[in-house]
Amino acid sequence: AQSVAQPEDQVNVAEGNPLTVKCTYSVSGNPYLFWYVQYPNRGLQFLLKYITGDNLVKGSYGFEAEFNKSQTSFHLKKPSALVSDSALYFCAVRREAGNNRKLIWGLGTSLAVNP
Amino acid sequence: NAGVTQTPKFQVLKTGQSMTLQCAQDMNHEYMSWYRQDPGMGLRLIHYSVGAGITDQGEVPNGYNVSRSTTEDFPLRLLSAAPSQTSVYFCASTRSRQNTGELFFGEGSRLTVL
Repeated sequence: AQSVAQPEDQVNVAEGNPLTVKCTYSVSGNPYLFWYVQYPNRGLQFLLKYITGDNLVKGSYGFEAEFNKSQTSFHLKKPSALVSDSALYFCAVRREAGNNRKLIWGLGTSLAVNP
Repeated sequence: NAGVTQTPKFQVLKTGQSMTLQCAQDMNHEYMSWYRQDPGMGLRLIHYSVGAGITDQGEVPNGYNVSRSTTEDFPLRLLSAAPSQTSVYFCASTRSRQNTGELFFGEGSRLTVL
């Protein structure tokens, strides 16, 4: 069965420090992996995706994510956090192909960046 | 460029009432979907559509109906509202079912059922 885990409900980081939001997954075959951000009282916004190729993918707002096949992880990172990065972050996975291409979502990680 | 538009933003219903949440997109997307977001439960897919005239159930379809008569619109109907349907509802769309990972979301509709 496909699944996504975001092991931390909340991450706190000081402004200017690097941040990491963790995601691990389980899917048969090649995974397609995604990160979304949700600001308070807003809809989700797509940040970045991994399909194939370089394990380090870059996305919007200075975020990047590292795909690690052996650890089945896809952690979201940013070298220097901003207070405005405070939001809810969701990881999602789907299979590359086949009949079931529905997204499987993690439960979200709340990121708080402190001034 | 409106993107995905949801109405209403807020609604309060009494148990047993019915209502329709509206969703419209102006990006000519084939794929549209409805999610509900509840604390501690993440996002759960209610119904989805891969094109006009085609709809299918997601993981939590009970108590909800959908239709897709045009490419642009994908309304979600609550047939007889229950307190368990108190939630924030999101409509999302993308170009096609091959792109289901890159969704465009509306701003959400917050529903309270008393």
